[in-house]
Amino acid sequence: QVQLKETGPDLVQLTQTLSITCTVSGFSLTTYNVHWVRQPPGKGLEWMGAMWNGGGTDYNSAFKSRLSISRDTSKSQVFLKMNSLQTDDTAKYFCARHTMGISFDYWGQGVMVTVSS
Amino acid sequence: DIQMTQSPASLSASLGETVTIECLASEDIYSNLAWYQQKPGKSPQLLIYYANSLNDGVPSRFSGSGSGTQYSLKINSLQSEDVSIYFCQQNYDSPYTFGAGTKLELK
Repeated sequence: QVQLKETGPDLVQLTQTLSITCTVSGFSLTTYNVHWVRQPPGKGLEWMGAMWNGGGTDYNSAFKSRLSISRDTSKSQVFLKMNSLQTDDTAKYFCARHTMGISFDYWGQGVMVTVSS
Repeated sequence: DIQMTQSPASLSASLGETVTIECLASEDIYSNLAWYQQKPGKSPQLLIYYANSLNDGVPSRFSGSGSGTQYSLKINSLQSEDVSIYFCQQNYDSPYTFGAGTKLELK
């Protein structure tokens, strides 16, 4: 069955770099797109960016040049890397599968990341 | 960026009641609108896609409608398990923005 699972640190120091891995199963990264969405505690959802099935990427300009998304199709993994972390980057980070015409039909459980000074 | 204005921010309703949540896009999104349900501590779950298509396994008491810039989610015969936060999202253009959410509680 389709599954996505995020793994990453619980705590990141201020100004440091966040790295999260989304490991997927039950589908191919060359067929489906994978997106990253985050949610600060008690707040709404923010779309961060996408890894398209063809290997291209798309980013929310709100993250300027801080954000990078890549993948390793042989390992069925998508990677999020974001630098210069600030306290307002404290959030739960989700990866989600995107089926064209259907939207984000499967989500990972998310990983809660706290940025500490 | 396309702005999604969702209303109301919170809603209190009784069991068996019908509730409606609305989402207004800042420009025409040509029905590329999804609705998600999120329970506390859980990831969002897709309810409706392309404005009015019910995702697999979603109860038929949920329905979506709308076109252009105005969309709505209707829940008929409210059940206790429907207590959640609901988000709309436009899938028309990047960045794929979400509404701020509607917190649905039981009266």
